[in-house]
Amino acid sequence: LAKTTQPISMDSYEGQEVNITCSHNNIATNDYITWYQQFPSQGPRFIIQGYKTKVTNEVASLFIPADRKSSTLSLPRVSLSDTAVYYCLVGAGSSASKIIFGSGTRLSIRP
Amino acid sequence: GAGVSQSPSNKVTEKGKDVELRCDPISGHTALYWYRQRLGQGLEFLIYFQGNSAPDKSGLPSDRFSAERTGESVSTLTIQRTQQEDSAVYLCASSLRNPRNEQFFGPGTRLTVL
Repeated sequence: LAKTTQPISMDSYEGQEVNITCSHNNIATNDYITWYQQFPSQGPRFIIQGYKTKVTNEVASLFIPADRKSSTLSLPRVSLSDTAVYYCLVGAGSSASKIIFGSGTRLSIRP
Repeated sequence: GAGVSQSPSNKVTEKGKDVELRCDPISGHTALYWYRQRLGQGLEFLIYFQGNSAPDKSGLPSDRFSAERTGESVSTLTIQRTQQEDSAVYLCASSLRNPRNEQFFGPGTRLTVL
């Protein structure tokens, strides 16, 4: 199984750029990297997904180096509403049991 | 359109009782997942349904846990002879085809076993 390692928690301030790095040293060739966001008392919500290089959407960017052993979620100009838990997942399309939500990174944004 | 719905939103039961949790996925989504989330923890995969294929039950923690799905619609997670360690939020998600597709989560059912 492609296990992921993320920081347990991070703090930042409104208006800053936040980068959360996830390590996945044993990622397989056909694995994709996906990030989810979870607010208290809600189910997780998809943020972004990528396979290699860089992916950008309206809320975040995902940077994946050539060796794919890590990935970095970048949140530009965060606000208080970005306070949440962020999960990095690594897995392929066919097996749900091999896509593991770890403990995530608890991001706290301060005024 | 309607998202994933779950019922009940909260369930309090006594140790030893059976409970049934319901999930209504997004229409047209062939894949359905159940997860368990204990307080302050990440999500634990329980079971995965994909169309008419045999479900992936590899995450079920014991034989007290079972789940069914009717075609590509409603799913029910049943926990028999509940124990206090079963207390958690049970989350259901659906996706268009497979786990790599974006999973849409329901609000969860908070189960408390006294």
